[in-house]
Amino acid sequence: AQRVTQPEKLLSVFKGAPVELKCNYSYSGSPELFWYVQYSRQRLQLLLRHISRESIKGFTADLNKGETSFHLKKPFAQEEDSAMYYCALRGGTSYGKLTFGQGTILTVHP
Amino acid sequence: DTGVSQDPRHKITKRGQNVTFRCDPISEHNRLYWYRQTLGQGPEFLTYFQNEAQLEKSRLLSDRFSAERPKGSFSTLEIQRTEQGDSAMYLCASSTGLAGANSYNEQFFGPGTRLTVL
Repeated sequence: AQRVTQPEKLLSVFKGAPVELKCNYSYSGSPELFWYVQYSRQRLQLLLRHISRESIKGFTADLNKGETSFHLKKPFAQEEDSAMYYCALRGGTSYGKLTFGQGTILTVHP
Repeated sequence: DTGVSQDPRHKITKRGQNVTFRCDPISEHNRLYWYRQTLGQGPEFLTYFQNEAQLEKSRLLSDRFSAERPKGSFSTLEIQRTEQGDSAMYLCASSTGLAGANSYNEQFFGPGTRLTVL
């Protein structure tokens, strides 16, 4: 079975502060991990995936297989980062089916 | 708007009634997914189509649920004899992807259909 856990439902930071959204996963094989974001009144959209190893909107995430984690980080949060963030996993044998965590609402205060 | 579209955006129905939702994927996308999202939870996978073939179904998809994609383009999700526990946001997503290929291509999500069962 595969599972994704996001321990924080809510996370508040001030503008310019570092932010880290936690994600832990459970999967016996080699998963692909993703972060999806949903801004207010917008659709769910892909933010980044671990195999791309790229920084999107200043966010990065590193897959730590030893700790089974894929935390999302940004050194200096901006007000426009306020959104719902979902961590998601794709198991190696699925066609693209994603397993999502419960989501974390990030609020960046001015 | 060339993104994924879903219709209706909102549906209120009484317990025991049947409802049908439609999803129109991005035109060149041959993979189509349905997810369900209840309050406070992330989306949960329901089913997946590769062209017109339904290749995977979740155990969440009880026998009251049926999905089709008859011509490999739009898809419908029908819920028969709705129950209050069916109240949720139903999301559709589409992506490219070769038939039989065990690969991930970015899924593009629609706006969802919010179902309320009274």
